[in-house]
Parts: sequence; C-alpha cells; structure tokens
Amino acid sequence: NAGVMQNPRHLVRRRGQEARLRCSPMKGHSHVYWYRQLPEEGLKFMVYLQKENIIDESGMPKERFSAEFPKEGPSILRIQQVVRGDSAAYFCASSPSNTGELFFGEGSRLTVL
Amino acid sequence: AQRVTQPEKLLSVFKGAPVELKCNYSYSGSPELFWYVQYSRQRLQLLLRHISRESIKGFTADLNKGETSFHLKKPFAQEEDSAMYYCALRTIQGAQKLVFGQGTRLTINP
Repeated sequence: NAGVMQNPRHLVRRRGQEARLRCSPMKGHSHVYWYRQLPEEGLKFMVYLQKENIIDESGMPKERFSAEFPKEGPSILRIQQVVRGDSAAYFCASSPSNTGELFFGEGSRLTVL
Repeated sequence: AQRVTQPEKLLSVFKGAPVELKCNYSYSGSPELFWYVQYSRQRLQLLLRHISRESIKGFTADLNKGETSFHLKKPFAQEEDSAMYYCALRTIQGAQKLVFGQGTRLTINP
C-alpha cells in the first residue's frame, strides 16, 4: 500500500489563478480530510469528506475554496482566484473509518506570487 | 467550539532527562485525545491515543478531565525522540473531525 499520495508536491500560482490539489487515499480508505498549515502555525482542519459526500466543511473558507471526493478518482481541493494568503502547505489524510487514526500524505506546498 | 492548546512551541532537553510536552483542550463533550508525531523527513503519524492506555516508544499520556489536559511524558529522553509533536482532539458528537494543536518541536541534546 503506497500510502496517501498528494500531487503536486509543489505548486506555484500567480494571484487570480486557480489551484487544484489532488489526494489519493490509501487503498480501502473511504474517509478523507484536508488540513492547511500556514507558516509557523499548526494544522487547521478544513474539510472532511466521504465518497461523494461532504461531511464537515466548517474549516473551509466560504468563498473560493471547494472540495470533492468523487466515486472514482482522487479527492480534489480547489482554490479559485488565489491570493497571497493562500500560500501554505495543504495536507490530506485518509482513514478506513472515522476512528481518529489518520494516515497523512506528504503535503502540497502552494506558493502564490 | 473545540480547541487544543500546546503552550510550548519549542522544547529542548538533554538526553536521558525526563520529557513532558503539554497539551490542554477545551470541549464541552467527552473528547478522544491523540498525540501525533512527525520525525524529520517523514509523514505525520499517530503516536498514541488515550483510549489505548498504552506506552509507545516509552511515551505515555494520561487524560486528566479535571484539568482538561493530556500531557505527553517520557522518563528518559533519547536523541531519536527529536521531532514535531501534535496533540489532537476528536469530537465524539457531530462530524467527529480531528482538531490539532499548534505543535511542539522537541529537540533532544546529546
């Protein structure tokens, strides 16, 4: 089992562009979580998804950010019209069930110029 | 709202000395508490959870509901314990998301 795979590992965007971050959970895992880590800060919960359903998006900014986890394919975190403040590391985690043990990816580092 | 506080961003101790990483939480319900660890160049991974009541790599943590704390302890630190440590809380009610503290960077000096 290759573990949680995130891509791209590094992404550079100019202000106003769109950023798409992908996360392939571990095989057999149907729960996906996205976290954001700003410089010098901890992990901030963004969204929790199960296949085709958003369970909790209370940590997601109301505008410009969206997430999905389709029946087939990876989970996608989409940021539209990026701004400099979106520069951060975005971590995806998955679990086979909601037990609190999360398996993390290596993160995607977004830099907005 | 649930919150996890790790008051120390950095903690440095000598090899062989005792280690205590502090974690306090606020949550109106009954929480589940976890410690996650990230070693250099590795992914964040689960270290231990309070319901297991086990010692992992010599570390233990006791949930103190009266003080709303879940401090991580090890009697004799080893150099390989140097890492970033995150305390996390999972809500029992609702969507059961995992909320993390800001993390403590532990450095063990030889």
